[in-house]
Amino acid sequence: GAVVSQHPSRVICKSGTSVKIECRSLDFQATTMFWYRQFPKQSLMLMATSNEGSKATYEQGVEKDKFLINHASLTLSTLTVTSAHPEDSSFYICSGTSGGFNEQFFGPGTRLTVL
Amino acid sequence: EDQVTQSPEALRLQEGESSSLNCSYTVSGLRGLFWYRQDPGKGPEFLFTLYSAGEEKEKERLKATLTKKESFLHITAPKPEDSATYLCAVQEADSSYKLIFGSGTRLLVRP
Repeated sequence: GAVVSQHPSRVICKSGTSVKIECRSLDFQATTMFWYRQFPKQSLMLMATSNEGSKATYEQGVEKDKFLINHASLTLSTLTVTSAHPEDSSFYICSGTSGGFNEQFFGPGTRLTVL
Repeated sequence: EDQVTQSPEALRLQEGESSSLNCSYTVSGLRGLFWYRQDPGKGPEFLFTLYSAGEEKEKERLKATLTKKESFLHITAPKPEDSATYLCAVQEADSSYKLIFGSGTRLLVRP
């Protein structure tokens, strides 16, 4: 149980374009979802927290107008990287948690490369 | 400032050579401490949650323990398939469910 999927697993885009990443909880209702970014050989850095039906809460230094997060249902959250630039190239990972437990269950990640 | 520090940064073991990974933390109030395993290019895989000092949990060759200031992940007789990065994260005793991650320990087990 507690499976989270992400789509796509890899994406390459041109500078200036927007990219949408989907995160789905497959066998539980994720009342809260988190989006992380991970650079090579570094740990996970939390970008934002989203609760179903509410606006996301962004961490300090994360531009909310650049990283648009939507958590429209209990099983789906999306992250849109707007006007992507090469410095946005990274590994983006989502996680979900339910009100019944504290553990976060992570998706497999999305590798974004901006040319 | 809340901090999570893991050591060593990297660890090389021979198959069967037991060892421990350390995670020290500084938070105002601990709700839980989490251990995850991460393989290259993959998302973290949940291993354990520890809630109070003195608590221990085991899974196959792994055993996690918790004190008021740190946690240890003991690996007994490791196998090459245990090679991965092990991440420690803490969750504060506030209303959010945010995790604060350490930088991880990269474990390599040689056959």
